[in-house]
Amino acid sequence: QKEVEQNSGPLSVPEGAIASLNCTYSDRVSQSFFWYRQYSGKSPELIMSIYSNGDKEDGRFTAQLNKASQYVSLLIRDSQPSDSATYLCAVNSNQAGTALIFGKGTTLSVSS
Amino acid sequence: NAGVTQTPKFRILKIGQSMTLQCTQDMNHNYMYWYRQDPGMGLKLIYYSVGAGITDKGEVPNGYNVSRSTTEDFPLRLELAAPSQTSVYFCASSYAGEYGYTFGSGTRLTVV
Repeated sequence: QKEVEQNSGPLSVPEGAIASLNCTYSDRVSQSFFWYRQYSGKSPELIMSIYSNGDKEDGRFTAQLNKASQYVSLLIRDSQPSDSATYLCAVNSNQAGTALIFGKGTTLSVSS
Repeated sequence: NAGVTQTPKFRILKIGQSMTLQCTQDMNHNYMYWYRQDPGMGLKLIYYSVGAGITDKGEVPNGYNVSRSTTEDFPLRLELAAPSQTSVYFCASSYAGEYGYTFGSGTRLTVV
């Protein structure tokens, strides 16, 4: 059974701090990795994708991938109250006919 | 550009009733998916399709059926609704399996 694990939280950080969210996955052949943000009562929204080892930065967001450790992380710099949401990690093996496997999500709370 | 459109947004069904959740996308994506999301349980894949005329089961297909007669539409059929099918249902689409998804706004279904 392929699994994606996340700490459910809640993760609480003050405004302006760095929030660090972590994710591990079980399928060693996984090739595509995604972070989604989901506000309460809304649908998931894609915020980051990463395909190769290392860091990928987009504005205040940095995704980090380590395939050897089967570990993906998301850093949010200068956290804002509007970042308060549940963050879902998703993984795809890229094998034909496969779909994303989602973690249960980490709830982030940013206090002003 | 509407993206992925789901109808209805809310529905209450009685045990044993049937219904179809509609999903339409206008991005010419080949890949479409149905997930259900229960509180604290993350997103579980019900069915997916890699193109018109091709569908396959996901992790939790029991009690559901799908069809994919066109690229745009991917309806999900619930037969003989049960309380265990109370959930939020999300339809999503993607250009290819290794790309991130665009989600619809979801259907909140309650079976009583």
